[in-house]
Amino acid sequence: DIVMTQSPDSLAVSLGERATLNCKSSQSVLSSSDNKNYLAWHQQKPGQPPKLLIYWASTRESGVPDRFSGSGSGTDFTLTISSLQAEDAAVYYCQQYYGAPLTFGGGTKVEIK
Amino acid sequence: EVQLVESGGGLVQPGGSLRLSCAASGFTFSSYWMNWVRQAPGKGLEWVAIINLDGSEKYYGDSVKGRFTISRDNAKNSLDLQMNSLRAEDTAVYYCARGSGFIIDIWGQGTEVTVSS
Repeated sequence: DIVMTQSPDSLAVSLGERATLNCKSSQSVLSSSDNKNYLAWHQQKPGQPPKLLIYWASTRESGVPDRFSGSGSGTDFTLTISSLQAEDAAVYYCQQYYGAPLTFGGGTKVEIK
Repeated sequence: EVQLVESGGGLVQPGGSLRLSCAASGFTFSSYWMNWVRQAPGKGLEWVAIINLDGSEKYYGDSVKGRFTISRDNAKNSLDLQMNSLRAEDTAVYYCARGSGFIIDIWGQGTEVTVSS
């Protein structure tokens, strides 16, 4: 199984500042057949179900603000929130869909400083 | 509007069984893979199972393999999860989630399952 490790566990960022979240997979999720990274990011606000933010490591889901961006390839990935807004306080999960079993990272909690 | 509505959660004793259902609407159900994902109280997300378009392929997480069965009825736009031999560690909110292939793109609101005597 592919193990997903996220860091840090939590971070506090001031409004308008940049937040950088990291995700590492235990093996590459880059497919040689289509050159795509099978990596998604989901956002979960308190008391709500998760919501897909990014897939293919860097493609924003429709309606997701462009302050959210994903990058990385192979085993190392980053979710960046360029200018943190109050409504971005949430837990963020990376998830690989390279193959079953699908696996999630443990999550990074983003708080407003 | 795309919607997934789970039902069937509740309190069950260890060793018991429970069947969860998910009613889908607002999209062509038969065109999407479907998943169950769970979240234990205060914990992260754990993928449980996935089923392909016609139900001929199913995959399970290691912790539920042999105990849980995922199924779907495309005529009724519904997804089920039959859970047997339940354990305390199965206590969680269970989410039904749509998959574009293996990409989980829509989540339901969840249904709560508590396994306790």
